[in-house]
Amino acid sequence: GENVEQHPSTLSVQEGDSAVIKCTYSDSASNYFPWYKQELGKRPQLIIDIRSNVGEKKDQRIAVTLNKTAKHFSLHITETQPEDSAVYFCAARMGNQGGKLIFGQGTELSVKP
Amino acid sequence: ETGVTQSPTHLIKTRGQQVTLRCSSQSGHNTVSWYQQALGQGPQFIFQYYREEENGRGNFPPRFSGLQFPNYSSELNVNALELDDSALYLCASSITGGSQYFGPGTRLTVL
Repeated sequence: GENVEQHPSTLSVQEGDSAVIKCTYSDSASNYFPWYKQELGKRPQLIIDIRSNVGEKKDQRIAVTLNKTAKHFSLHITETQPEDSAVYFCAARMGNQGGKLIFGQGTELSVKP
Repeated sequence: ETGVTQSPTHLIKTRGQQVTLRCSSQSGHNTVSWYQQALGQGPQFIFQYYREEENGRGNFPPRFSGLQFPNYSSELNVNALELDDSALYLCASSITGGSQYFGPGTRLTVL
């Protein structure tokens, strides 16, 4: 069935370190993979996304990699800052179902100063 | 912040009642998707509207229904409310096939 698994569920790093969050998806027809950051009590904010014809995308301190063969994609945050602390969600768009996004369970990232 | 707005911000209802939530999409966007987010979980897709018609639906019963209007705004209606319907309801607007941008959500509490 449709599923996105996300790990780890919690992640604690020191300011300046890197953070990596990993997701796997089940539907091989999935073609679009966004990442959202959600601070407490706020809306999910799109931070980066990647399409299935690209293997890697970078935006300043944030990068996403995609391995279609393994059905696996990852978020990399370098030089972490306390304001990066939030819950991060990965998602996959199901290939044949319009705009339906299937979300992972989330990773609570804590960046300690 | 995105240009997506939702109303109301908070809502308290009792079991069996009906509720209508509203969403205004970002300028230039023609597609609205609705999600339910329970506490501590990722958003769950309810359905999507494009050109005023439902364009995909998740695993939600028929008592969850929606509308899209010619100005691309949308409503989510839930009938016969159950305690488990308590959640944050998010709408997201996009152009067809494009990135989805979320509104601030409506927090629904069912007592």
